[in-house]
Amino acid sequence: QVQLVESGGGVVQPGRSLRLSCVVSGFTFSTYAMHWVRQAPGKGLEWVAVISYDGSNKYYADSVKGRFTISRDSSRNTLYLQLNSLRPEDTAMYYCARDFPWFDTWGQGTLVTVSS
Amino acid sequence: DIVMTQSPDSLAVSLGERATINCKSSQSVLYSSDNNNYLAWYQQKPGQPPKLLIYWASTRESGVPDRFSGSGSGTDFTLTISSLQAEDVAVYYCQQYYTTPRTFGQGTKVEIK
Repeated sequence: QVQLVESGGGVVQPGRSLRLSCVVSGFTFSTYAMHWVRQAPGKGLEWVAVISYDGSNKYYADSVKGRFTISRDSSRNTLYLQLNSLRPEDTAMYYCARDFPWFDTWGQGTLVTVSS
Repeated sequence: DIVMTQSPDSLAVSLGERATINCKSSQSVLYSSDNNNYLAWYQQKPGQPPKLLIYWASTRESGVPDRFSGSGSGTDFTLTISSLQAEDVAVYYCQQYYTTPRTFGQGTKVEIK
């Protein structure tokens, strides 16, 4: 079955970096655009970034532009999100989701906490 | 960016009664070339990721109970739970996929009265 599994979250100090991964299975990864969505504790859903099926196009929310980088490796069936210059307001559960173009499948999420 | 605004922020409904959630977009999400509304609804239960309920504004995802229905067009949309069950307690989000950034409503919390 279609499955997305995120990892890489943790506690990190402000200004530091982290790389999140999303390993997919059960479908042909290289034919789908993929997204990252985050959710701060007790808050709503915030779209973060999207990458096209072949990695040629990437778009970011204004709140993360210039600090976060989305990428993918089809040989590893893996989606990535590089988080640089982290801020306390980046504290959230980060989900990867498949573009259908609605978000038909979501991972369980990985928690990023930015705190000194 | 398209702003999605849901109402109400929360509602309490008796078991077996109807729950209605509204979603308004700041611009139309109806794509004229295919006559589809690029609007989805998600359900999120505590500690879980969101789950797709409805896409194209009114098409139920496979496996979603038929007590969930979506309606509307252009800028105004509604999610209706025809007969609320205990397992429907959750936060519901609308989302437009008409354009990037893919924006969500702020969420509506549904509880049992």
